[in-house]
Amino acid sequence: KNEVEQSPQNLTAQEGEFITINCSYSVGISALHWLQQHPGGGIVSLFMLSSGKKKHGRLIATINIQEKHSSLHITASHPRDSAVYICAVKKGGSEKLVFGKGMKLTVNP
Amino acid sequence: DTGVSQDPRHKITKRGQNVTFRCDPISEHNRLYWYRQTLGQGPEFLTYFQNEAQLEKSRLLSDRFSAERPKGSFSTLEIQRTEQGDSAMYLCASSLGTLTEQYFGPGTRLTVT
Repeated sequence: KNEVEQSPQNLTAQEGEFITINCSYSVGISALHWLQQHPGGGIVSLFMLSSGKKKHGRLIATINIQEKHSSLHITASHPRDSAVYICAVKKGGSEKLVFGKGMKLTVNP
Repeated sequence: DTGVSQDPRHKITKRGQNVTFRCDPISEHNRLYWYRQTLGQGPEFLTYFQNEAQLEKSRLLSDRFSAERPKGSFSTLEIQRTEQGDSAMYLCASSLGTLTEQYFGPGTRLTVT
């Protein structure tokens, strides 16, 4: 079993919908990262969380350390949000990031 | 553009050849990371530098792989005697500290024929 699991693996939504992407992990962590990857490979860091909740524009990320679970929410989705969203955790005592497989989001106009 | 650059962006090589990739991090970042990503998968950690010291290496980094960061600025990743299984996107990232965001370069796509 992977140490970081994301669900769903693929999601198609209509423009304007509220979207939730989930990430569960099975190891002790010092931080959790949400990353966005567009076709062609470029990865952009969206959030780094160690507790609670962060908001940036239409994106909200939450983490529950006790339940080892994080969610990324996108409000008022737009076709430009179409990308792969990757969850990665920094294991305690290590600089190593362990990545989920990513979730491919397609937002149709 | 995140400020992290990688060169080359694409490399096609024949099996058995050596290849070297370069990463230039954001100048004030003391931490530099190398990752590998194959199609349809999330990235996998390869190695990490703090300044010029290589502090962590993955078991994925076989004897054919070597990475350096000689003056604590740019880094190179060399793959000797390339194999078809080495075909992947090689990503570099940098950060300012241990619990800060990582900034990723555009990657070098390696194809071994």
